[in-house]
Amino acid sequence: QSVLTQPPSVSGAPGQRVTISCTGSSSNIGARYDVHWYQHFPGTAPKLLIYTNDNRPSGIPDRFSGSRSGASASLAITGLRAEDEADYYCQCYDSSLTVSLFGGGTKLTV
Amino acid sequence: VQLQESGPGLVRPSETLSLTCSVSNYSISSGYYWVWIRLTPRKGLEWIGTVDKSGTTSYNPSLESRVAVSLDTSKNHFSLRLSSVTAADTAMYYCARGEGFNGYDFQLDYWGQGALVTVSS
Repeated sequence: QSVLTQPPSVSGAPGQRVTISCTGSSSNIGARYDVHWYQHFPGTAPKLLIYTNDNRPSGIPDRFSGSRSGASASLAITGLRAEDEADYYCQCYDSSLTVSLFGGGTKLTV
Repeated sequence: VQLQESGPGLVRPSETLSLTCSVSNYSISSGYYWVWIRLTPRKGLEWIGTVDKSGTTSYNPSLESRVAVSLDTSKNHFSLRLSSVTAADTAMYYCARGEGFNGYDFQLDYWGQGALVTVSS
């Protein structure tokens, strides 16, 4: 079981808004280490979606946004599209384990 | 920047898994962190280890006794060796470029396509 906890799955209809949570602890997200998010289509390379909590790399639409509060972070996707159907992972450094952690991943179904 | 993993797709139990990541359009001796990650159905994404431009390494404590990551600047590639493999090491292995504070705290902005490695006799 991952130290960063994500829901195994979320779903939404086209056009709707969904959020994916990433719950950590006082040694990672709660310690204010940066959270990053990745989008992964099986069979392809994962893609950096959000970096340093709430920043989008060039080319990522503003339908994707990141936030954090306390020991948790969230990825929000608005205006859902069929092509958003993928796996999403959060990532954060953990100072207690001295490790770069990934969440267990969330499968988004549109 | 492009990254491409290469290496055997089948490794026998107890042997050593070896993969290479060739980097194009960026000199690995110029900076950033060079990272290995794996993906399994059971554990999802798992960070394996990191090497920086000077060859300094950082490893996942759960794998540290079996893993070695190294840099070859003359060939502009970096490598992974994982010894004493078992079926639990069967995974898709990715290499990636890390940008961040150190070998543990980074985001991964460029990834390879992945190399499937199966551990089986």
